Amino acid sequence: GAVVSQHPSRVICKSGTSVKIECRSLDFQATTMFWYRQFPKQSLMLMATSNEGSKATYEQGVEKDKFLINHASLTLSTLTVTSAHPEDSSFYICSAREAGLAGYNEQFFGPGTRLTVL
Amino acid sequence: QQQVKQSPQSLIVQKGGISIINCAYENTAFDYFPWYQQFPGKGPALLIAIRPDVSEKKEGRFTISFNKSAKQFSLHIMDSQPGDSATYFCAARWSGAGSYQLTFGKGTKLSVIP
Repeated sequence: GAVVSQHPSRVICKSGTSVKIECRSLDFQATTMFWYRQFPKQSLMLMATSNEGSKATYEQGVEKDKFLINHASLTLSTLTVTSAHPEDSSFYICSAREAGLAGYNEQFFGPGTRLTVL
Repeated sequence: QQQVKQSPQSLIVQKGGISIINCAYENTAFDYFPWYQQFPGKGPALLIAIRPDVSEKKEGRFTISFNKSAKQFSLHIMDSQPGDSATYFCAARWSGAGSYQLTFGKGTKLSVIP
């Protein structure tokens, strides 16, 4: 099956610093990548949808200047949490949808990145 | 996004028993209904999925039952095993306008006891 990787798997940073999380589709090209945030014992909350070569579409309530998303190639999307604060501590998960397929093609999820802001 | 309601919030099942998780949706435009399994500290993994033109789909011990008129679908795990202990999320997707966004239920924490 299709594999999506995330790096780093966990990161601890000081308040006020910026953190970049990478999401890669390893064996397929991803037209669309999605970024989710998941708090403990809660469901996945969609933050933004990114299409290769265009600006990301952010969900209501998600600050686009704080969560910078770049989808520069068909295999890589990055999420940068700028000026991170303790309330940004969460589990960030990306997913990728394969390019060139219509209909019911699946989203493949990455293993997640645990962000802890001290 | 339209809501997907999932129940129960938690479920304890004896080994060998049947685990049943239910979901209901509102938006009749949804055209794809996957179930995901998530272990602690891991990303969700697709378990099984169904399209609205099918009433049931079975893969191994996992079965989705789909009731289009009632706008409900459920996951049945037969012969539940301790290794099935995880959080399960139902989801729904509308493929219109090229969106492909998933709407998730709140999740069900399944514990299978020996």
